[in-house]
Amino acid sequence: DGGITQSPKYLFRKEGQNVTLSCEQNLNHDAMYWYRQDPGQGLRLIYYSQIVNDFQKGDIAEGYSVSREKKESFPLTVTSAQKNPTAFYLCASSISSGMREQFFGPGTRLTVL
Amino acid sequence: GQQVMQIPQYQHVQEGEDFTTYCNSSTTLSNIQWYKQRPGGHPVFLIQLVKSGEVKKQKRLTFQFGEAKKNSSLHITATQTTDVGTYFCAGNNAGGTSYGKLTFGQGTILTVHP
Repeated sequence: DGGITQSPKYLFRKEGQNVTLSCEQNLNHDAMYWYRQDPGQGLRLIYYSQIVNDFQKGDIAEGYSVSREKKESFPLTVTSAQKNPTAFYLCASSISSGMREQFFGPGTRLTVL
Repeated sequence: GQQVMQIPQYQHVQEGEDFTTYCNSSTTLSNIQWYKQRPGGHPVFLIQLVKSGEVKKQKRLTFQFGEAKKNSSLHITATQTTDVGTYFCAGNNAGGTSYGKLTFGQGTILTVHP
């Protein structure tokens, strides 16, 4: 069964702790993306990767880090430097970057206490 | 940077009424995509428009891309309760270093009263 998985669905962390969100896809897609969604706002791009071992900052990369060591995996670390980390985080992939549809995972809702 | 504005932010309709959401970009787009997110769910791709003035239909949904490739609209005829959700447009910048990045509008939250 092909798709994108994100785990966990809900995550709670104390302020000042780093936390890593998982994103795995078995669609054989080259491009992967991380978005943040806040109430009343659209999806804002954090980081994206067009190919394994390469990634670029999106519009709101400060306080986040990523890696792309494997084609199927694109984990996102929310660091303590992120001022307002509580949000809904969505991972997506597409067969290639550019003018292609994106497939989204179910999302991780992170709450920092 | 590129901005994509979407209006209205909220729309409440009675079942059977029509619904339209509008999307405007500050820059010319290569293409525009539309996504639907059901309450508690994740965005799901609906359609992509590429050509200037393009119109596409999916059953009760009609999508348009402006002649200048800077605006788009989604129209739903005779809404049903299954249409409930948030509709997002997402634009792909025409050239430049941001190729490959989608810029999403804020979304329109549609509520349908039976």
